[in-house]
Amino acid sequence: QSALTQPASVSGSPGQSITISCTGTSSDVGSYNLVSWYQQHPGKAPKLMIYEGSNRPSGVSNRFSGSKSGNTASLTISGLQAEDEADYYCRSYTSSSTDVFGTGTKVTVL
Amino acid sequence: EVQLVQSGAEVKKPGESLKISCKGSGYSFTTYWIGWVRQMPGKGLEWMGIIYPGDSDTRYSPSFQGQVTISADKSISTAYLQWSSLKASDTAMYYCARRPTFGSKGDYLDYWGQGTLVTVSS
Repeated sequence: QSALTQPASVSGSPGQSITISCTGTSSDVGSYNLVSWYQQHPGKAPKLMIYEGSNRPSGVSNRFSGSKSGNTASLTISGLQAEDEADYYCRSYTSSSTDVFGTGTKVTVL
Repeated sequence: EVQLVQSGAEVKKPGESLKISCKGSGYSFTTYWIGWVRQMPGKGLEWMGIIYPGDSDTRYSPSFQGQVTISADKSISTAYLQWSSLKASDTAMYYCARRPTFGSKGDYLDYWGQGTLVTVSS
């Protein structure tokens, strides 16, 4: 099972919006509404930001939103803030009854 | 409060065995899956496998099948990840995470342990 494809890095200025893509196949992202997104600050454990494609857990800012089209899921961060600088990973369930993570995206706030 | 508390950092030699732990509290340990995730130095997250402590149903990533063993002791709300013969390439941070379901609505990793750093070096 190959990792889902994410851009290595995305950057934006404070207040701007950025979007991170997560491209899979019809055996994972395209077949299930089970994409989740995780934020990881250096030296910290990952944190759930979006689940089932577009749902936010309690306590996560509404500046974070998710969507999906075909085999590609996306995470959008609006009103970018310095604290959003981190690594972001997508994750999907697969038709092989396994999981696959994305390659990871480093978000830089300019 | 839901918590997953992992055992401390380990330094081992190649060929040695190791078992690290993940203790859950603040929720019904037997009704949620527990997954294990590897993060090698400077690299991304890799899914290793999961276990349902209620009946010990265990699934492995093909990449880790036969390389590690996942188990759980529901009497003490603890999941384990073990190696019988470590290699230098096993050097990584290992996270456990809670998962409400597997392969259906509610399938996400909502609470994570703090991580266990395993260093394998001669």
